[in-house]
Amino acid sequence: EAGVTQFPSHSVIEKGQTVTLRCDPISGHDNLYWYRRVMGKEIKFLLHFVKESKQDESGMPNNRFLAERTGGTYSTLKVQPAELEDSGVYFCASSQEWGWNTGELFFGEGSRLTVL
Amino acid sequence: GNSVTQMEGPVTLSEEAFLTINCTYTATGYPSLFWYVQYPGEGLQLLLKATKADDKGSNKGFEATYRKETTSFHLEKGSVQVSDSAVYFCALSSRAGGTSYGKLTFGQGTILTVHP
Repeated sequence: EAGVTQFPSHSVIEKGQTVTLRCDPISGHDNLYWYRRVMGKEIKFLLHFVKESKQDESGMPNNRFLAERTGGTYSTLKVQPAELEDSGVYFCASSQEWGWNTGELFFGEGSRLTVL
Repeated sequence: GNSVTQMEGPVTLSEEAFLTINCTYTATGYPSLFWYVQYPGEGLQLLLKATKADDKGSNKGFEATYRKETTSFHLEKGSVQVSDSAVYFCALSSRAGGTSYGKLTFGQGTILTVHP
């Protein structure tokens, strides 16, 4: 069974440009999450999809970030326009269910974004 | 709000040494606690978890006990191997306040390097 896959693995862009990150969750996982790790600090929650609906987007930094999940399958995270502080590693994770006692997230390898 | 504090790294040990990585937390309600590990070139994966006070999570020789009185979840292993070299993340999930399931709060990560 394929794991969570993310593309690209590394992207280098100029400040002001646009970047789109893609995540393919594990097949059958309704829950999809985006997290971000900036400059070796803690990994921070961005948002949570249940199928195609945004369940919780309280971690999205500002309106330059747009996440979509078409048809409840893969997801994209677009940053437009990118700023220097957006540099970091963006992780996608998925889970079949999330219960109080059973939850486990399956993470991708991450997409490293460098904004120059 | 919720927060997780891990001991500063990096940690460098010789093979067969004893490992402790400290983790303390602040949370509303009664959180579930996790240790995730990221091996080189891979995504984060769940190492172990504990969902209530005094529970002990264990996996691959690693153990951590949920200590409510000290708000801690320290990771231990009696004899590390070179293959344990990775980044270790302590995390919590708290349902209190209506936050969504799957919204993990992470510590900053601890890099472990084990030499032969």
